[in-house]
Amino acid sequence: GNSVTQMEGPVTLSEEAFLTINCTYTATGYPSLFWYVQYPGEGLQLLLKATKADDKGSNKGFEATYRKETTSFHLEKGSVQVSDSAVYFCALIRGSQGNLIFGKGTKLSVKP
Amino acid sequence: KAGVTQTPRYLIKTRGQQVTLSCSPISGHRSVSWYQQTPGQGLQFLFEYFSETQRNKGNFPGRFSGRQFSNSRSEMNVSTLELGDSALYLCASSLVGRDLEAFFGQGTRLTVV
Repeated sequence: GNSVTQMEGPVTLSEEAFLTINCTYTATGYPSLFWYVQYPGEGLQLLLKATKADDKGSNKGFEATYRKETTSFHLEKGSVQVSDSAVYFCALIRGSQGNLIFGKGTKLSVKP
Repeated sequence: KAGVTQTPRYLIKTRGQQVTLSCSPISGHRSVSWYQQTPGQGLQFLFEYFSETQRNKGNFPGRFSGRQFSNSRSEMNVSTLELGDSALYLCASSLVGRDLEAFFGQGTRLTVV
C-alpha cells in the first residue's frame, strides 16, 4: 500500500544551521508530494508541494525535490530561524480523489 | 478569504456519550476531509465528502460518521465515545483536481474522560 516514512525526531538545531528532514515514500503510479507544517496549537499549513518527478517545491526558504528514482522528497533549508520551530509532516496523495497519507511527523526545535 | 473554520475548538465529553464536530470549508471548496491526530498513531484519514456524498473512507469503526450539507459544510459524529477517541480532529477543504491543495482548520481538541 501507499506509505510515507520520515526521519524520527526531535531535531534540535542552532539558529542559522542547515536543515534536512528525510522523507521517502511507497506508492504506485505518480503521487503528488507535500510538506505540511504544524505550529503549536494550530492546524496544518501547506509548506510546499511537487506534483511530478524532478519538480522542486519551494517556500519561505524551504525546498524539496521530487526524486522518483529514490522515491524521496527530502526537506531542506539553508539557515533555520527560531520561528521555524514546529512539527513537519511529509505527505502524499494519489489521484484527484485520494486522501492525504502522512508520515509520523518530525519535531524541529531551533535554539537561539 | 476566510479559512477553514472548525467548531468548537475544545470539547470534553464523558465515555459513552456522543459528539458532533462542525467544519465550514473555504468558500467555493466542495471537498471536505476529516483526519484524526493522536500522538501514537499520527494523522489518520477518516473520510472525505464531495457534493454531499462520501467519496472515500478510512479504516475507522462505524461509530465514526459524517455528512456534508448542500452549502459544503460538514459535520462528523462519534457515538459511544471511548477514551481512545481523545484526539485533535482536523478538517481540510480543497478544490477538486489532480493538483489539489488541502487547507486545514485549526482543529477540534476532543478529550474523553
